[in-house]
Parts: sequence; structure tokens; C-alpha cells
Amino acid sequence: DAKTTQPNSMESNEEEPVHLPCNHSTISGTDYIHWYRQLPSQGPEYVIHGLTSNVNNRMASLAIAEDRKSSTLILHRATLRDAAVYYCILSPTGANNLFFGTGTRLTVIP
Amino acid sequence: ETGVTQSPTHLIKTRGQQVTLRCSSQSGHNTVSWYQQALGQGPQFIFQYYREEENGRGNFPPRFSGLQFPNYSSELNVNALELDDSALYLCASSFDGLYYEQYFGPGTRLTVT
Repeated sequence: DAKTTQPNSMESNEEEPVHLPCNHSTISGTDYIHWYRQLPSQGPEYVIHGLTSNVNNRMASLAIAEDRKSSTLILHRATLRDAAVYYCILSPTGANNLFFGTGTRLTVIP
Repeated sequence: ETGVTQSPTHLIKTRGQQVTLRCSSQSGHNTVSWYQQALGQGPQFIFQYYREEENGRGNFPPRFSGLQFPNYSSELNVNALELDDSALYLCASSFDGLYYEQYFGPGTRLTVT
């Protein structure tokens, strides 16, 4: 499975934008980029996914580099509730499972 | 819309025993995946059930087995428990095997002593 590299931890001030990076230099053409997050004492929560184009939804935006070797999850305005571990995951088309790494622990400072 | 539920919340077992964990999928979902999450690690895929059949398996030994019922709820069974089986067990449901938008339950915390 293609590997992703994320910083172990990041901090952000409340109400400011957060850019969470993910490197995936060995991504293949059929790999989707997924982001999940896991709040304390909860199961992971789907955030967003994309293939080539940038994606937006009510939770976040996903910016994908033109060569697809990296991507960035953007939280437009961090709240205390966004404090979580964020996982960037690659999964090929048709795969039936997700391979989680250790993710980035985001701390939001009031 | 009912979310994914799991039972029990916590469980303590002794090495060598057997355990059954249960999961009710989200309304309208016919696919259930099970994951194991050790402390400080990301979840690891155990297997997936789609329409009552196993539909993919991760790198887990045969003593990890499962079932899916006609109502799409699911069980995870672990035989001959080992200390390393202590973890959070997560169940995720989705529709038609779709892997990119899985809805996770809160998990069952299993401690093996």
C-alpha cells in the first residue's frame, strides 16, 4: 500500500485557518486521497476525499498538488472541536479498506 | 438516521479465552468493516463483510473471525486471546462496500490480562 507521511503534531489558534500537509510521493494513478479524523475517545470520522481535483465540503477543503505527490487538508476556521488526530490515507480504486498511519495530532489553542 | 453502535463498551478477558464483539450498522448500510486500534496507533483493517460474505481481510490470523447477519449487523469473534489483542476494536459501516466514506462506531475497548 502506498505510504503517506504526515507531521506527528501541529498547533493552531482558535478561529484561524489550519493547513495539514500530507506527502505521498509513491501515489499511483488509481489511488484516492482520503482524510479521516479521530476525536478523543471516539471512532474515526470521515472528512473528505479526492482523486485529482481540489475538493470542498462543509467540513474542510482538500488541495491536491498537480503531480499528486502531496496534498493539504484545510480547515478554514479552527474550533476547539477540531482538536483531533487527522489521518491522510491512500487507497486504490476498488479497495475495500483503509490503511491508517499514525496521523497528525492537531491541538487548537483558545 | 441511526448511527453505528457497538457493544459492549469495555470488556476484560483472560488470556486464552474467547470474546464476541457486536456492531449494528448505520441505517441503510449493507457493509461492515472491523478494525483494531492499539494504543497510540492508527486503526488496522481486520476484515469486511458485504451482504453476509467476507469481502476482504487484513493481516490477522484465523482466530479472528466474523459474521454478518441478514439485518447487516455484525459480530467479531476472537479465539484464544493473547495479551497483544488488547486494543480498541472499531466497526465501520458503509454502503455497497464503499470504502471512502465509512461511518465508525465508538469502539469496544478490550483488555486481555
